[in-house]
Amino acid sequence: KQEVTQIPAALSVPEGENLVLNCSFTDSAIYNLQWFRQDPGKGLTSLLLIQSSQREQTSGRLNASLDKSSGRSTLYIAASQPGDSATYLCAVTRGGRQLTFGSGTQLTVLP
Amino acid sequence: DVKVTQSSRYLVKRTGEKVFLECVQDMDHENMFWYRQDPGLGLRLIYFSYDVKMKEKGDIPEGYSVSREKKERFSLILESASTNQTSMYLCASSTGGGNQPQHFGDGTRLSIL
Repeated sequence: KQEVTQIPAALSVPEGENLVLNCSFTDSAIYNLQWFRQDPGKGLTSLLLIQSSQREQTSGRLNASLDKSSGRSTLYIAASQPGDSATYLCAVTRGGRQLTFGSGTQLTVLP
Repeated sequence: DVKVTQSSRYLVKRTGEKVFLECVQDMDHENMFWYRQDPGLGLRLIYFSYDVKMKEKGDIPEGYSVSREKKERFSLILESASTNQTSMYLCASSTGGGNQPQHFGDGTRLSIL
């Protein structure tokens, strides 16, 4: 059974820092991996999707990498801003469409 | 932009009631999903659908059913609500065979008293 782990559960950094969020998964037979952002009381916003054949994806200040063989992904946020404060979730696609989620990292960027 | 709309942001119902949660997407997506999100347990898949009138059980289908009569609408039904179904319910949609991102609604916070 696929398990997805995100460490740390919470992270607090000063504004302007570059930071890395970690995601690991137990079964490397994934279809793709997605990173989401969730603001308090809201739904999820898709940030980046990395296909299993890709190594990384970039969008603005965000860069996500994928190492299938080691079962790891990282989300790099450059020059963090208070508006980046949210919970970040990673999820792997199994069986073509179904997602298995990690429990998330709650990020606080202090002004 | 994809728009996934859940009919209620907050809902309060009583034990034993039949509860309907509605979700509508406007991008002609084939795939639709219902999740629940609980502190410490994360997001768990309840049911999903690949096409009109078809449904598949997710990881925690007990106590729930779904209906997909039209492509844009996916309903989650609590046949007889219980207090342990108090949760945040999230609907999502996607297109294709799994290589496209899932798009989520804002969620329905359901309380069963």
